[in-house]
Amino acid sequence: KAGVTQTPRYLIKTRGQQVTLSCSPISGHRSVSWYQQTPGQGLQFLFEYFSETQRNKGNFPGRFSGRQFSNSRSEMNVSTLELGDSALYLCASSLTGQGRVGEQYFGPGTRLTVT
Amino acid sequence: AQSVTQLGSHVSVSEGALVLLRCNYSSSVPPYLFWYVQYPNQGLQLLLKYTSAATLVKGINGFEAEFKKSETSFHLTKPSAHMSDAAEYFCAVLYGNEKLTFGTGTRLTIIP
Repeated sequence: KAGVTQTPRYLIKTRGQQVTLSCSPISGHRSVSWYQQTPGQGLQFLFEYFSETQRNKGNFPGRFSGRQFSNSRSEMNVSTLELGDSALYLCASSLTGQGRVGEQYFGPGTRLTVT
Repeated sequence: AQSVTQLGSHVSVSEGALVLLRCNYSSSVPPYLFWYVQYPNQGLQLLLKYTSAATLVKGINGFEAEFKKSETSFHLTKPSAHMSDAAEYFCAVLYGNEKLTFGTGTRLTIIP
């Protein structure tokens, strides 16, 4: 079974621009979570989508948004990019249900650099 | 609020020596606990999880962790380190709402 895929793997943007990152979960997984990883802040939860609905949200400004499609694929968007948005953005998918709690399968991430 | 603390951002052990990575959680109710590993330029991989069954949990690659409620700890161990164990390890806690909270990570270096 194919793993979680994220595109693109690397991205360079300029301050003020916007960016869209894509995540395709493992087939059959309906939950997709997004994380931001930086050396200073570590892994921080952005949001989680389940069946096209945002189920959880972290403490990030409204410039960070996401959505999930009917095939469970998810996108996250960051508008008006700031230098501090430079990070590795990780997507994780999971099967919800008994015995599967917390078992998230991560993609390789998208490395975003803002200049 | 739930949180995890990983003691030691960097740990070095000799090849063949015991690996011990420390994790303490903060929660009034025993949560679900996890250890993830991240190799360079990769995402995270689940090593093992505790979900209130056996307190000693065995994971992949020879790792195991013991849940100790009295110490609010979930330390990760491996009897004999291998060069391939060099990576960053994250402890994570989950309680109720399916939102994983990660520790700050411990970078493990193996000395030949």
